[in-house]
Amino acid sequence: DIQLTQSPSFLSASVGDTVTIPCRASQGISSYLAWYQQKPGKAPKLLIYAASTLQSGVPSRFSGSGSGTEFTLTISSLQPEDFATYYCQQLNSFPQTFGQGTKVEIK
Amino acid sequence: QVQLVQSGAEVKKPGASVKVSCKASGYTFNDHYMYWVRQAPGQGLEWMGRLNPNSGVTNYAQKFQGRVTLTRDTSIRTAYIELNNLRSDDTAVYYCARLRGADGFDIWGQGTLVSVSS
Repeated sequence: DIQLTQSPSFLSASVGDTVTIPCRASQGISSYLAWYQQKPGKAPKLLIYAASTLQSGVPSRFSGSGSGTEFTLTISSLQPEDFATYYCQQLNSFPQTFGQGTKVEIK
Repeated sequence: QVQLVQSGAEVKKPGASVKVSCKASGYTFNDHYMYWVRQAPGQGLEWMGRLNPNSGVTNYAQKFQGRVTLTRDTSIRTAYIELNNLRSDDTAVYYCARLRGADGFDIWGQGTLVSVSS
């Protein structure tokens, strides 16, 4: 199975900051990567697919980049509603594994 | 609208079985793989298995092989997960999720809390 590593597990930031969240794959996955946002007590929400394509309805302050093994989720001008946990997921091969998540906390 | 609605919370004793349902609406049920993902308290997302609603073919994570069964009833557009021989560490929220091609899981159920305790 392909392993996805998200480090750090926790990230402290302030409203208005730009935040970057990395995700590293154990082998090349082209651009088959998705990002999800999860808030407490809620199901994950698809933010970005194909590494950099914004899901419909997602604010443009969210962006994704990368290919191969290195990927990044960037949140520009962090808003109060963005404090949540973010997961990456690879869709290059079965099973479509998840990273362990990065929690963005209020500084 | 497109949605997945899951059955309600369950409380089970160790060794028992649980069956959770996931009813799809707003799209053609047979057109998308259905996945099941669970999340233990304070933990990340764990993939359990997937079902092809069209053929009924299933694939399971090795960790759950022999204990989990995915089924569906296409007449009512509903998928099911059954987990047997429950243990305390099976306590988690169980989600169904629709796979949209190679894009990701674009629709999720609301989650079903399964609590296992003696």
